[in-house]
Amino acid sequence: SYVLTQSPSVSVAPGKTARIACGGDNIESKSVHWYQQKPGQAPLLVLSFDTDRPSGIPERFSGSNSGNTATLTIRRVEAGDEAVYYCQVWDNNSALLFGGGTKLTVL
Amino acid sequence: EVHLVESGGHLVQPGGSLRLSCAASGFTFSAYSMSWVRQAPGKGLEWVADINKDGSEKYSVDSVKGRFTISRDNSKNSLFLQMHNLRVEDTAVYFCARRRVGSGTSFFDYWGQGALVTVSS
Repeated sequence: SYVLTQSPSVSVAPGKTARIACGGDNIESKSVHWYQQKPGQAPLLVLSFDTDRPSGIPERFSGSNSGNTATLTIRRVEAGDEAVYYCQVWDNNSALLFGGGTKLTVL
Repeated sequence: EVHLVESGGHLVQPGGSLRLSCAASGFTFSAYSMSWVRQAPGKGLEWVADINKDGSEKYSVDSVKGRFTISRDNSKNSLFLQMHNLRVEDTAVYFCARRRVGSGTSFFDYWGQGALVTVSS
């Protein structure tokens, strides 16, 4: 079955750029969606179809997908961006899958 | 504005039953597939069950097959999850989520705040 791999944690200083990776076999052939989850809250969709930002999501959030890695990039990181970020794909065999999540810590 | 509000979460003993509800508003409920996604304490997200727009197609993850049943009432803009024979490992926050389908993929664009189900003796 298809597996999505995320690093458990990423740390970045305020104002810098955070890059959160999501690995999967030939993931570039799939659309990757990203969610942000803050403690005690529901997940929030921040990117769909690799790069599309829903209304209300800052332009600081962007995405890319190439080869075996999809990446969520957050520029000019703010304290309020601290959260767990999940990637997600649809796989014809395994249905809807989530990565294990990456905790973004703002130093 | 889209709103999804879960209810029915409770403490239940192993082997017990529970029914979760999700009240939807702010959109045409009957036009969307809907899902339940759960999150065990301190863990990640797991897609549990899904139902298409008119309720004619349903999906559930292997670990809950035969125990959990998803259903919907489009006349009442409501989604349900009937859970039987609950196990300790079913302890989680259960989120109701609206599922978008298209272009060979699927994702969730709106989520409820979650309902906590605790299975413990």
